[in-house]
Amino acid sequence: NAGVMQNPRHLVRRRGQEARLRCSPMKGHSHVYWYRQLPEEGLKFMVYLQKENIIDESGMPKERFSAEFPKEGPSILRIQQVVRGDSAAYFCASSPAEFTNTEAFFGQGTRLTVV
Amino acid sequence: GENVEQHPSTLSVQEGDSAVIKCTYSDSASNYFPWYKQELGKRPQLIIDIRSNVGEKKDQRIAVTLNKTAKHFSLHITETQPEDSAVYFCAASSTNAGKSTFGDGTTLTVKP
Repeated sequence: NAGVMQNPRHLVRRRGQEARLRCSPMKGHSHVYWYRQLPEEGLKFMVYLQKENIIDESGMPKERFSAEFPKEGPSILRIQQVVRGDSAAYFCASSPAEFTNTEAFFGQGTRLTVV
Repeated sequence: GENVEQHPSTLSVQEGDSAVIKCTYSDSASNYFPWYKQELGKRPQLIIDIRSNVGEKKDQRIAVTLNKTAKHFSLHITETQPEDSAVYFCAASSTNAGKSTFGDGTTLTVKP
């Protein structure tokens, strides 16, 4: 059973470009969560999605950031017009269901560098 | 919303000594408290967790204690080894473990 798969592992973008980060949850998991980790800081919750639904985007910046989890394919975190402050590690986690407090499994992360 | 504070931010111990990391939380509805270990450039990995219906849990050299009244929980690592060196994060969540509030992390260094 493959774990949570994120790609790319490393992404370099110039200021003003778009960044697309992908996350495939573990098999059998229907809930996806995105976190951002700035250098030498903790993980900050961004958004929680189920298939075709955004459940909670309370941690998502209001502008330039969007997320989706289509019926088919991976979840995508999209950052438009990237700025240097977007440089961070973006982690995706998945869980099998919402109302069970079991472990959420993290992917290896995508390290975004904006130059 | 939930607020989790973690102390200390850095901790250096001699190999074989014990290490203790403490966290406090603010939301009394939180009922799941995982601890993650993150090595440089890698993903956070769960090392132990505790739910609000227990006060203590142990797994070999690692233990976690929870005081719901005081809203604090602690990680204890005994007989530390150099490979325990990493950043440790506590977290708290209510109902949905996927949406957790993390502490800012503790960088643990175990000196041989």
